[in-house]
Amino acid sequence: NAGVTQTPKFQVLKTGQSMTLQCAQDMNHEYMSWYRQDPGMGLRLIHYSVGAGITDQGEVPNGYNVSRSTTEDFPLRLLSAAPSQTSVYFCASSPAREGYGYTFGSGTRLTVV
Amino acid sequence: GENVEQHPSTLSVQEGDSAVIKCTYSDSASNYFPWYKQELGKRPQLIIDIRSNVGEKKDQRIAVTLNKTAKHFSLHITETQPEDSAVYFCAARGGGNKLVFGAGTILRVKS
Repeated sequence: NAGVTQTPKFQVLKTGQSMTLQCAQDMNHEYMSWYRQDPGMGLRLIHYSVGAGITDQGEVPNGYNVSRSTTEDFPLRLLSAAPSQTSVYFCASSPAREGYGYTFGSGTRLTVV
Repeated sequence: GENVEQHPSTLSVQEGDSAVIKCTYSDSASNYFPWYKQELGKRPQLIIDIRSNVGEKKDQRIAVTLNKTAKHFSLHITETQPEDSAVYFCAARGGGNKLVFGAGTILRVKS
């Protein structure tokens, strides 16, 4: 099992550009989430999904879109990048069964200039 | 929605001493409370978790306690070692199955 795979690992964008952060898991997990991590701010939930075709907003959803067309993939789209979106982004997944925690991907470090 | 507060933000202990990190949560429907350890430049890793029908869980030098009435839970690390130095995050899963994290605690173990 590859676990949770995120691409790219690093990205530099110009203000106003759009891009998609990719996330894929091969563990057949129902739950998937996107978090951003900023210094001193912990992990803040952007969007999450409890299954294919179902997504919902987290704590900081503005400026981001998601879709979940398959169980395996959960891409995060930045529509028009802003410097405030400079952060480390983590994708995570877990089974729906009670008592299982999230497995995290290795992260994407995004810089918006 | 769920709100998780974590204290302290930084904690320094001598090697061999115990460390305690405390978290409170707001959503009484929350039923799952994991703890993660994150080393510099790496992804968060699950180290221990507890469900709402359990008051305490232990795994070697790490233990977690949960007080549902007071809506708080704590991480206890005994006989700390330099390799325990990291950032620790608590989290709570409540209504809607969202997992919300605390702001983190930087633990430094001095040898």
